[in-house]
Amino acid sequence: DAGVIQSPRHEVTEMGQEVTLRCKPISGHDYLFWYRQTMMRGLELLIYFNNNVPIDDSGMPEDRFSAKMPNASFSTLKIQPSEPRDSAVYFCASSATPGLVIDEQFFGPGTRLTVL
Amino acid sequence: AQTVTQSQPEMSVQEAETVTLSCTYDTSESDYYLFWYKQPPSRQMILVIRQEAYKQQNATENRFSVNFQKAAKSFSLKISDSQLGDAAMYFCAYRRGSNSGGGADGLTFGKGTHLIIQP
Repeated sequence: DAGVIQSPRHEVTEMGQEVTLRCKPISGHDYLFWYRQTMMRGLELLIYFNNNVPIDDSGMPEDRFSAKMPNASFSTLKIQPSEPRDSAVYFCASSATPGLVIDEQFFGPGTRLTVL
Repeated sequence: AQTVTQSQPEMSVQEAETVTLSCTYDTSESDYYLFWYKQPPSRQMILVIRQEAYKQQNATENRFSVNFQKAAKSFSLKISDSQLGDAAMYFCAYRRGSNSGGGADGLTFGKGTHLIIQP
C-alpha cells in the first residue's frame, strides 16, 4: 500500500489567496484526520471524518477553514482567505475502525504551507 | 479536556546509552490509549510504541519500552542502546478509547522532546 498521500508537499502563497490541501487515505480506512503542526501550538487536531461524515470539527480555527470528504478516497482542507498565521505543516492521517485491536493512525508526509 | 505534558524540551544522550523521555497526561476517562511518535527531520510521523490503559504490563518494542504508571498518569519512554538514527522529535500522545465515546478519536499530543544522540 502506498500509505497516506498528501499533495502538494510544499505550498507557498500570498496572503488573501485560497489554498487547498489534498489527502488520499489508505484504502479500507474509514477514519480520516487533519492535524496542524506549528512551533507555537504543536500538533493539534483540526477535524476528523468517519465514513466521509465530519464527526468533530471543534479544532477548526475559524470560518476561513473548511474540510470536505466527498468520497472514501479523497479529502480536502481549504483555507480562504489565507493569512500568514496559517503557515504550518498540515498532516492528514487515516485509520481503520476500532475493533479488537487498536486502530493505529497512519500519517501522511504533511504539506508545508507558507503564507507570505 | 485531556492534556499531555512533556516537560523536557530537549534531551541529549551518548550513543549506546539509555535515555528516558517523560510524559504526563490528564484525563477523566478510564478507557484510553497512549502512544509515542517519532518525527525525524523528514517530518514523517512514525509510531514507536503504544499502550492500552487497561493493560498493566508495560509495552515493549525492541529497544523501546514504556513505564506506564496509571495512578500517577505517567507514561515515559525508555530507549536502550541509543543509535544515531534515534535522533528526532518524540511526541507523547493520548487517545480516548472507543468504549468512551464510540468509534475512533483524534490524538492529543504533547509539545515534544527533541532527542540528540551524541556520537
